[in-house]
Amino acid sequence: NAGVTQTPKFQVLKTGQSMTLQCAQDMNHNSMYWYRQDPGMGLRLIYYSASEGTTDKGEVPNGYNVSRLNKREFSLRLESAAPSQTSVYFCASSEIHRAKETQYFGPGTRLLVL
Amino acid sequence: AQSVTQLDSQVPVFEEAPVELRCNYSSSVSVYLFWYVQYPNQGLQLLLKYLSGSTLVKGINGFEAEFNKSQTSFHLRKPSVHISDTAEYFCAVSFTSGTYKYIFGTGTRLKVLA
Repeated sequence: NAGVTQTPKFQVLKTGQSMTLQCAQDMNHNSMYWYRQDPGMGLRLIYYSASEGTTDKGEVPNGYNVSRLNKREFSLRLESAAPSQTSVYFCASSEIHRAKETQYFGPGTRLLVL
Repeated sequence: AQSVTQLDSQVPVFEEAPVELRCNYSSSVSVYLFWYVQYPNQGLQLLLKYLSGSTLVKGINGFEAEFNKSQTSFHLRKPSVHISDTAEYFCAVSFTSGTYKYIFGTGTRLKVLA
């Protein structure tokens, strides 16, 4: 089992460019999450999908959109990248959307916006 | 307000010495508590979690944590650290009632010195 995979691993964008971060999990989990990690701020939730066919905003959704393509895949799109979106992005999944669940993380995508 | 605090941003410790990483939380409802570890250039993985029952929780790699409700703390300990324990450690809290929230602390960077 690969667990949670993310592509790409690294990306450099110019301000105003768009891109999509891909995430897939092979654990048959129902719930998936996108976080950003910034120095001194821990992880902050951008969007989540409690189950296939649903998506909801997290703590910092502005400037992002998501798509739950199927049960396995959950993508994050930056329509017009800004330097403030320079960060490390993590995708995570959990068996169900419940507070006591362990979250399983991918290796991250390091994004630099110039 | 609900929050989690990791006061120590960095903790240097010599190999084979004991270590304690501190985590405090603020909540008006009961909580679930988690410790995750992030090795360099990897995603987070669960070390241990407290859901209910015994307040002393044992995790992987010889780590343990104790839930102290009166002090609203969940400190992580290891009696003897190894070089391979060098990583960033995140405390996280979620809540047994109310709107779903899974809050991560800002992380403590553990540096084990030879």
